[in-house]
Amino acid sequence: QGQLVQSGAEVKKPGASVKVSCKASGYTFTDYALHWVRQAPGQRLEWMGWILTGNGDTKYSQNFQGRVTISRDTSASTVYMDLSGLRSEDTAAYYCARDRVFRGVVYPFDIWGQGTMVTVSS
Amino acid sequence: EIVLTQSPDTLSLSPGERATLSCRASQSVSSSYLAWYQQKPGQAPRLLIYGVSSRATGVPDRFSGSGSGTDFTLTISRLEPEDFAVYYCQEYCCSPKTFGQGTKVEIK
Repeated sequence: QGQLVQSGAEVKKPGASVKVSCKASGYTFTDYALHWVRQAPGQRLEWMGWILTGNGDTKYSQNFQGRVTISRDTSASTVYMDLSGLRSEDTAAYYCARDRVFRGVVYPFDIWGQGTMVTVSS
Repeated sequence: EIVLTQSPDTLSLSPGERATLSCRASQSVSSSYLAWYQQKPGQAPRLLIYGVSSRATGVPDRFSGSGSGTDFTLTISRLEPEDFAVYYCQEYCCSPKTFGQGTKVEIK
C-alpha cells in the first residue's frame, strides 16, 4: 500500500532555511508524484508544490515561488522540501503526500506523511 | 485558480444524526476531480472521497459524496463518535491543488 515518513520537528530563526525530508516505502517510488502541503495553526491546507519523481520536474505555488525548492533522491526513495527566508508566518505543519496519473486519470492524495512541525521564532 | 468555499464553518450535531457539508467552487471542476478529506487533531488528512462520489479504500459506507459542476456535498448518514473532525474538499485536477477552508463537525 505504501508509507511516507517525514523528518522530525524543526525550530528555526527568522531568515534561516529549513529542509524537510519525506521517505517513501512500500511502493514503486517513481510511479507517484510527491506534493508538499502546509497547514499553519488553525488554518486551511495550503498546497506548496510537487515533484515528478520519475524525471525530477517540479512545479511550485506562486505563493512560494523563489523560496521553495523540492528535490528528490531516487536511490533513497526520498523527497526534500527546502524553504528559505523563513518568517514567523511560516510556522506550520508541513506534509508530503502522493498522487498519480494513471491511464489519463488523475488520482488524489491517497497517502500522507505524518507531518513535520516547523517553528520560526527569534 | 479555482477557489473552494465550504459551508458551514462549524456543524454542531449529536451522534446518530445526519451531517451535510457543502463545497462550492468558483468555476466548474474539471472531470469531477473533487475530493474530500477528514482531519483529526494532530493527524494528517485522510482521503475519504474522490471523483466526487467514490469512496477511498476502507471508508465506511455512511460517507457519501455527490454533486457536479460547482456544487458538491459530503453526507455522513449517521454520525459515529469517531466522525467528529474537520473536513476539507479539494480540487485535484491541476496545479494549484486547492483546498477549501474546512468544516468542523463538532459534538453538540
